[in-house]
Amino acid sequence: EPEVTQTPSHQVTQMGQEVILRCVPISNHLYFYWYRQILGQKVEFLVSFYNNEISEKSEIFDDQFSVERPDGSNFTLKIRSTKLEDSAMYFCASSLQGYSNQPQHFGDGTRLSIL
Amino acid sequence: GQQLNQSPQSMFIQEGEDVSMNCTSSSIFNTWLWYKQDPGEGPVLLIALYKAGELTSNGRLTAQFGITRKDSFLNISASIPSDVGIYFCAGRGIGSDDMRFGAGTRLTVKP
Repeated sequence: EPEVTQTPSHQVTQMGQEVILRCVPISNHLYFYWYRQILGQKVEFLVSFYNNEISEKSEIFDDQFSVERPDGSNFTLKIRSTKLEDSAMYFCASSLQGYSNQPQHFGDGTRLSIL
Repeated sequence: GQQLNQSPQSMFIQEGEDVSMNCTSSSIFNTWLWYKQDPGEGPVLLIALYKAGELTSNGRLTAQFGITRKDSFLNISASIPSDVGIYFCAGRGIGSDDMRFGAGTRLTVKP
């Protein structure tokens, strides 16, 4: 069964550094998402992306964050000038269609640790 | 904003017992989904519900989309040790990509 893959599985970064998290969504999916889960807490929506632009973002997704689809297969989340509170699991998800029509399928996440 | 309340927070049950958990929302959702998350992994979709009143099964799992569109429940029948994990409800509003998650129900199954 096709799946969403994320790399790296664990990223350790010094505070203030930039980090790029990578995702390969399911190949025929058109909508892509990033979520964050701070340890022990609920999954939180960050951003959705369709047709090479952001379609929706949460209050968490401020100017520190950006997303990009640099080629036909990858979907990246960039965090600039990382802070301690950015430490979390970051999940990428994709769906065939957006809005309520299709479920989102998640990758196994990247654990980001900011030192 | 849309708030999801999921209960219970945790459950400790004997193998073979049935389990029920639910989510309620402060606003109407167009889609309810149930995910299971194992340690160190991403949420895995269990059941997706798209219509008010819809009742859907996936093996020993059954979920329903509440008539009011503000709630959903998940039942697991005859639990087994591999059911252990955290179960999350998630909902999406009309015309929104923003999927809100509940806080999760941590299930422990004792053999």
